[in-house]
Amino acid sequence: QVQLQESGPGLVKPSQTLSLTCTVSGGSISSGSYYWSWIRQPAGKGLEWIGRIYTSGSTNYNPSLKSRVTISVDTSKNQFSLKLSSVTAADTAVYYCARDGRLDPLFDPWGQGTLVTVSS
Amino acid sequence: AIRMTQSPSSFSASTGDRVTITCRASQGISSYLAWYQQKPGKAPKLLIYAASTLQSGVPSRFSGSGSGTDFTLTISCLQSEDFATYYCQQYYSYPPTTFGGGTKVEIK
Repeated sequence: QVQLQESGPGLVKPSQTLSLTCTVSGGSISSGSYYWSWIRQPAGKGLEWIGRIYTSGSTNYNPSLKSRVTISVDTSKNQFSLKLSSVTAADTAVYYCARDGRLDPLFDPWGQGTLVTVSS
Repeated sequence: AIRMTQSPSSFSASTGDRVTITCRASQGISSYLAWYQQKPGKAPKLLIYAASTLQSGVPSRFSGSGSGTDFTLTISCLQSEDFATYYCQQYYSYPPTTFGGGTKVEIK
């Protein structure tokens, strides 16, 4: 079955760019007509959808983050990536990647999540 | 963005109890609602979509109901593995899809 794994730096300085990669295993990222999403969760708080990408490269972003977010895909590596610029302490969270639905944004499965702390 | 409000934010229950969690949308979302379960230190797991359809492999003690603005998640007979935080999600209007603040079910 499809599995996802996030990777990237766990510590980012304020004003810099957060970069994470999600590696998909157990299936091709290009098959099944799925979208692929990033979601984050600050400690002790709820879930916030960041954005998603289709394997064609088409993207949708959360308007609240749109000016700072870029999601890209590398089908040859079976990966998709997140870049979040100009980070502040408010961006400290566990970041999850997840497979998004073919039609509707239903997230299953998810990666295990990776904690990113923004601090100098 | 559509705002999702869950109640209560937390409560205590005992194994075997029937529990109900409520989710309210700031505007009508038809039946475009999903429920997720999250255990400490783990990623959320999709339980229910389309307000009442169980995801494959989810035990039948879980059920969902509602449409429009008011929804409920019911666990008919609480098991030890059900103590977790539950989130609702609307996908009627996106982007962005939005989640409720969560309801934590704790052991009494």
